[in-house]
This record gives sequence, C-alpha cells and structure tokens, in this order.
Amino acid sequence: DQQVKQNSPSLSVQEGRISILNCDYTNSMFDYFLWYKKYPAEGPTFLISISSIKDKNEDGRFTVFLNKSAKHLSLHIVPSQPGDSAVYFCAAAFSGTYKYIFGTGTRLKVLA
Amino acid sequence: GAVVSQHPSRVICKSGTSVKIECRSLDFQATTMFWYRQFPKQSLMLMATSNEGSKATYEQGVEKDKFLINHASLTLSTLTVTSAHPEDSSFYICSAQHQETQYFGPGTRLLVL
Repeated sequence: DQQVKQNSPSLSVQEGRISILNCDYTNSMFDYFLWYKKYPAEGPTFLISISSIKDKNEDGRFTVFLNKSAKHLSLHIVPSQPGDSAVYFCAAAFSGTYKYIFGTGTRLKVLA
Repeated sequence: GAVVSQHPSRVICKSGTSVKIECRSLDFQATTMFWYRQFPKQSLMLMATSNEGSKATYEQGVEKDKFLINHASLTLSTLTVTSAHPEDSSFYICSAQHQETQYFGPGTRLLVL
C-alpha cells in the first residue's frame, strides 16, 4: 500500500514558466514533509521541507504548499530552469522518528 | 555543510561473494543513518535504520543476515551484502540524519554477475 503517491510520473514545462509537482499521502499522522531532487545515478538532494503546523514554506524559487485537509502537498518552482530537469521525490515522516516514506517520483523536464 | 559520501560508487562482483559499502558523514556527526535501495524507475525503499552503537532496525521483508549493517562510529555506517546474487543488483543509497533532515550519499551501483 503506497502511503505517499506522486500520480504524475512525468511533467514537461517551458523554461521560465512555473513547474508544479504534486504529492498525496494517506496517513493523516504524518507531520513533516520534504522534497528531494535526484539526478540519475546520484543520491537525492534535499530541496525544501515543511512542518504540518505551516501551510507554506518558501526558499528562493522553491515553494512548498501543504493542504492537510486534502492530505496533499505541492512543490512550485518559479521560474523553471533547464537545470531543474530531474526526478523529484516527495517524502513524508512522523517528526521525531526521521523515518521517511518516499513517493514514486515525478520526472520534470524543463524545455529551453 | 551536511555532506555524505559513499564508497564505492560502483561495484561488480561474482555471485556468492560479499560486498561492503561504506557511508560517511563528512562534516557532521550522525547517530542515525539509513540504507535505501532503488530499483530502476521506482521509489527509494528503506531497508534499515542504522543507529550508532546499537543494532540496526530492519524493515519488513529485509533479511538482516543478508544485509549486515554496522554503525561503529558517529560518522560511518557500513552495509555488507553477503553471498550476493544477481537479484541483489541494485542502486544502494545511504543517508545520514542531521537535525530534522536526511542527507543522502551519492549511491552505490551494485552489479552481481
């Protein structure tokens, strides 16, 4: 049973436009969420996180939104750049355990 | 900061041999490290949680005698794949806990012939 889902396996966006990556989770007890970026044959790189006490967290071009009632989070990248092309994983955790459950990933392609 | 290294980055071995993979936190101490496995085009699957000075906690379905984990210091955890078989071929990634975030190593590609 997949507790964290990324329903879009891939996404293509024009350079300069907004990229929106979505993630849904089933366990309402998750209270810490993260986004990672991964290039082929490399480990994931931490991008941004959000605690369940917030509904938005921003870091430069990256903003994560959390909708607890819908059990949904999204990552917005504005403006998108070709270097953002990678696979993006969302992860959910119970704070204090640090054990992450990862989604299946979304491959983002930013077209120049 | 928060850099994690893994060694080797790639290893090819014969079926039946054992392979050791090292995971090091380079600029911080990590009491907790994690080992993941990733199959092509799939998510990262947590194999085990490695705690410094104590036994690792394995996820359901992961054979502890097959995947030996040692976390002997605050900066080093090792994963040994014992008696490797072709089905163990995969991409193994470690991470180290730093404050509230896991930082990942670059991964190790294991190919068992």
